Amino acid sequence: EAGVAQSPRYKIIEKRQSVAFWCNPISGHATLYWYQQILGQGPKLLIQFQNNGVVDDSQLPKDRFSAERLKGVDSTLKIQPAKLEDSAVYLCASSQNPTGELFFGEGSRLTVL
Amino acid sequence: GIQVEQSPPDLILQEGANSTLRCNFSDSVNNLQWFHQNPWGQLINLFYIPSGTKQNGRLSATTVATERYSLLYISSSQTTDSGVYFCAAFSLGDQFYFGTGTSLTVIP
Repeated sequence: EAGVAQSPRYKIIEKRQSVAFWCNPISGHATLYWYQQILGQGPKLLIQFQNNGVVDDSQLPKDRFSAERLKGVDSTLKIQPAKLEDSAVYLCASSQNPTGELFFGEGSRLTVL
Repeated sequence: GIQVEQSPPDLILQEGANSTLRCNFSDSVNNLQWFHQNPWGQLINLFYIPSGTKQNGRLSATTVATERYSLLYISSSQTTDSGVYFCAAFSLGDQFYFGTGTSLTVIP
C-alpha cells in the first residue's frame, strides 16, 4: 500500500514570494491534515479536511495561508506572501476517519530567506 | 485542548542499553500514538495505543488511560534508534496534540 505522498521535498524562496505544497493521501483515507513543524517543536495542526470539507482551520493564518482538497483526494497548501517565520517543515497526514490512526508523508521543508 | 508533556527532553544512551520514555496528557483521550522522527524528518508510526500494552520487536508501549500517561520502552538500543520520539493524544471532537518530543542519541 502506497503511503502519503508529498512534494516538493525542499523549497527555498525569498520573503514575500509564494509557494505551494501538494499532498496525496493513502487511498481510501477520508481525513487529511496539514501540520507545520518548526525546528525543535512538535507538529502543529494547520487544517483538517474530511473528504473535501474543512473540519478545523482555526490555527491556519488565513491572511497568507490557504488550502484546498478538491474531489476529496489530493490537497494543496499555499502560502502567499511568505514570511521568514514560515520557515518550517510542512507535514501532510491522513487517516481513515477523524478518530483513526495518523500516517504522515515525508514532509516538505520550506526555507524563507 | 489537551496538554501533552514528554520526558525526558533529551536522552543519550550507550548502544545496547534500555530506556523508558514518558508521555503525560492532561485529559482523557480516545487515541494515543507514538512516532519516531528519523534524521530526514519523516514521522514513522510506532504504536497506535489508546490503552493497554503492545509490543513490536525491541519496542513496546503501555498506555494507562485512567492515569493519563503512556510509556515507550526501547530495549537493547541501536544507533538506528536515534532521533526524536513524539507522542500525540486525541480526544473526541478535538484534534491530535503533540508533545515536544524526546531526542534520543544512541552512541556506539
